[in-house]
Amino acid sequence: QVQLVQSGAEVKKPGASVKVSCKASGYTFTSYGISWVRQAPGQGLEWMGWISAYNGNTNYAQKLQGRVTMTTDTSTSTAYMELRSLRSDDTAVYYCARDIVLMVFDPWGQGTLVTVSS
Amino acid sequence: DIQMTQSPSSLSASVGDRVTITCRASQGISNYLAWYQQKPGKVPKLLIYAASTLQSGVPSRFSGSGSGTDFTLTISSLQPEDVATYYCQKYNSAPFTFGPGTKVDIK
Repeated sequence: QVQLVQSGAEVKKPGASVKVSCKASGYTFTSYGISWVRQAPGQGLEWMGWISAYNGNTNYAQKLQGRVTMTTDTSTSTAYMELRSLRSDDTAVYYCARDIVLMVFDPWGQGTLVTVSS
Repeated sequence: DIQMTQSPSSLSASVGDRVTITCRASQGISNYLAWYQQKPGKVPKLLIYAASTLQSGVPSRFSGSGSGTDFTLTISSLQPEDVATYYCQKYNSAPFTFGPGTKVDIK
């Protein structure tokens, strides 16, 4: 079955960087894009950006431009999301999700909690 | 940017009730609208895309309708396992914004 398995929880200090991984299985990795969505505690869903697993093209949310980088490693069917210059309001659960058609997401990874605290 | 709103923000209904959630876009988005269900402490799950296409494996009591700016998600007969927050999402163009969510629980 299609599955996305993410890396474990992280605790970071303000100003640091975090890199979250998302390993795909059960489908041809390069046939679909991957989006990243985050959810602050008790809040709604925020789309962060998308990467094509086919050619590496990216599309980032404007508010994160310059702080986020999404990459893929096709040899291991893994997508990565790096967020730099972390602030306390970056504390959230970060999800990867397969883009099945034009930014419709299914399935989602299990989520990675990133806590930014001094 | 196009803004997405949902109403109500929360509702409480009895098992077997028909439940309707509304999602509104600030500009027309054709039928580029998806619905997701997030149960407490769980991962979001795709229910419907293209405003009315049921994702494989989703119970038929869920249905979606609408086009342009106004959309609805309907649960024809509410079940205990439907307790969740429901989010709409536009995907006609970036940013692919989600609505603020509608929390559904059992009365």
